[in-house]
Amino acid sequence: GDSVTQMEGPVTLSEEAFLTINCTYTATGYPSLFWYVQYPGEGLQLLLKATKADDKGSNKGFEATYRKETTSFHLEKGSVQVSDSAVYFCALRGADGLTFGKGTHLIIQP
Amino acid sequence: KAGVTQTPRYLIKTRGQQVTLSCSPISGHRSVSWYQQTPGQGLQFLFEYFSETQRNKGNFPGRFSGRQFSNSRSEMNVSTLELGDSALYLCASSLWYGGGSTDTQYFGPGTRLTVL
Repeated sequence: GDSVTQMEGPVTLSEEAFLTINCTYTATGYPSLFWYVQYPGEGLQLLLKATKADDKGSNKGFEATYRKETTSFHLEKGSVQVSDSAVYFCALRGADGLTFGKGTHLIIQP
Repeated sequence: KAGVTQTPRYLIKTRGQQVTLSCSPISGHRSVSWYQQTPGQGLQFLFEYFSETQRNKGNFPGRFSGRQFSNSRSEMNVSTLELGDSALYLCASSLWYGGGSTDTQYFGPGTRLTVL
């Protein structure tokens, strides 16, 4: 079945550091790929998405590129802020709803 | 546009009871999906409804059920509650359904269920 693997963390960075959160997937066909973010006590917010190979999703300084060859969708941001502290989930849209990774807890220190 | 709303936000129940959670999708969205989030298992798909019909179902026991009304609002029910059912239950709405869909699922704030 479908699966998503991502680094779980916690990942601790200093403000203005470069961020990469790795995400790889296994799926039938070419599913749409998503990054969601969850702040404490809240639901999931869509961060960005890509629906086909080589698409780049971007939002709020975050970017991720749909790489079919490496079945990856790594999340990057050039300069993180304290307000980026949250849990980030990589997900794919398969036949059985969204399949999520375990989530990466990101902590940004001032 | 108003987002996805879920009621109630918090629930405390005891083992053996049943519970009903409610979800109102974004206006115009016809698909509603439900997910369970726990620290141990993470986010797991429960089921997906479109046009009042269950289209997909995750690997959960029959104690978990749901339905969708003609206005796209959805409810999920858990009968004979167990301690392990304590979780955050998230509802998501989208325009369409299924694996071939490229549209986005938008999530509500969730219902925190605690089973004592």
